[in-house]
Amino acid sequence: GESVGLHLPTLSVQEGDNSIINCAYSNSASDYFIWYKQESGKGPQFIIDIRSNMDKRQGQRVTVLLNKTVKHLSLQIAATQPGDSAVYFCAGLRRASGSRLTFGEGTQLTVNP
Amino acid sequence: EPEVTQTPSHQVTQMGQEVILRCVPISNHLYFYWYRQILGQKVEFLVSFYNNEISEKSEIFDDQFSVERPDGSNFTLKIRSTKLEDSAMYFCASTSPGQGINQPQHFGDGTRLSIL
Repeated sequence: GESVGLHLPTLSVQEGDNSIINCAYSNSASDYFIWYKQESGKGPQFIIDIRSNMDKRQGQRVTVLLNKTVKHLSLQIAATQPGDSAVYFCAGLRRASGSRLTFGEGTQLTVNP
Repeated sequence: EPEVTQTPSHQVTQMGQEVILRCVPISNHLYFYWYRQILGQKVEFLVSFYNNEISEKSEIFDDQFSVERPDGSNFTLKIRSTKLEDSAMYFCASTSPGQGINQPQHFGDGTRLSIL
């Protein structure tokens, strides 16, 4: 089957530092990945996505890297702020399986002032 | 910014009763989804809906569950004869057409369903 998972359940950083959250996936047929942020009591909020024909994509303060060789993706947050504290999920989609997203378990990011 | 809205935010129901969870997807979106998240676990796919029919469902989505788009704006999830293990956060999501399925799904803030 297909699985998407994260390396660390928690990550604590100092305000202003860069954060790196990692994710691994098992199915090489996954062709689209999304990072979501979930704050307490809220639904997953879209951050950034990347297609399998890319290895890097940049947004505002965020960068996603995709390494298809080792089936790994990461989310980099520059100059982390207290408002970035949340649970971060990676999710993958395989076109052949329709449009269902397969989520990882999430990393709780805590930003210390 | 347009958003997916879900009601109610919290639903408490006796075991065995029926519940209907409601969602208003983003207005120009055509693909709709339900996911659930049991406390402390990952978000799990339940069902996807397009063109007034189910396009895909997971093994969780058995005969106890049904979805409907009763009008041009609402998308509902009905759970018949609820069980204790149905207690979870239920999230609705939608996505836009245009480039097919590789578009980000946008989520509502969920309905917390508590079965007593």
